[in-house]
Amino acid sequence: GENVEQHPSTLSVQEGDSAVIKCTYSDSASNYFPWYKQELGKRPQLIIDIRSNVGEKKDQRIAVTLNKTAKHFSLHITETQPEDSAVYFCAAIRSGAGSYQLTFGKGTKLSVIP
Amino acid sequence: GAVVSQHPSWVICKSGTSVKIECRSLDFQATTMFWYRQFPKQSLMLMATSNEGSKATYEQGVEKDKFLINHASLTLSTLTVTSAHPEDSSFYICSATTGKYVGQYFGPGTRLTVT
Repeated sequence: GENVEQHPSTLSVQEGDSAVIKCTYSDSASNYFPWYKQELGKRPQLIIDIRSNVGEKKDQRIAVTLNKTAKHFSLHITETQPEDSAVYFCAAIRSGAGSYQLTFGKGTKLSVIP
Repeated sequence: GAVVSQHPSWVICKSGTSVKIECRSLDFQATTMFWYRQFPKQSLMLMATSNEGSKATYEQGVEKDKFLINHASLTLSTLTVTSAHPEDSSFYICSATTGKYVGQYFGPGTRLTVT
C-alpha cells in the first residue's frame, strides 16, 4: 500500500518568514495530492491541492510543488502570520478505475511566532 | 457547497454503553463516506470506508463488531461504538466524496469521552 512520509513533525518560524513542509510517497499510481490545515479540535480544511499532471500550483501565500519522478511534494507558505499556526497534513490519493485510496502524512505542527 | 455535518459534537458516556455518531452530507450525495479516528497530536487513522447500500470495508485492526457502520442513504452514515470503554475515547471524524471532486470533505468531528 501507499506510504506517506511527512517532515518536519514540528516547525517554528518567525512571523513574516517562509515555512516549507515536505512529503514523500511510495505509490507511483497516486495522482492527487491535497494539503489540509487542522486547528485544534476542528476538522481538516483543504488549503491547496495538486494533480499529478501539474508541477506547481500557487494560491496567494500558499504554493505546492510536485516532483513525480522523485515522488515528493512540498507545501510552501510565504509571509507567515500567527493565524497560520496549525497542524498541516499532506495526503496522497490514488483514484480511478473503480478504486480509491487516501493516505495521510503524520502531520506537521507549525508555530508562527509573532 | 459540499458541507458535511456530524452529530453529536461531543458525547460523554459510561463504560459499557453504546454511542451512535451520525455523519450527513447536507448539500450533495456522497458516493462514499469514510470514518477516521484521531488521537491527540496524531494523524487521522482511517477506520472504514462505506458505500451506500453495501457493507463497510474496515481497515486492518479495526473491530467490525465494535465499530458498527451503517450507510443507509447517499446522505447519511452512522458509526456506533458498541460497549464503549475508556480506550475508545477519541476524536472521530467522518468525510465524504462527491464523485466529482477526488478529495474528501470532512465533518467537524465528534469528541467521545468514555468514563
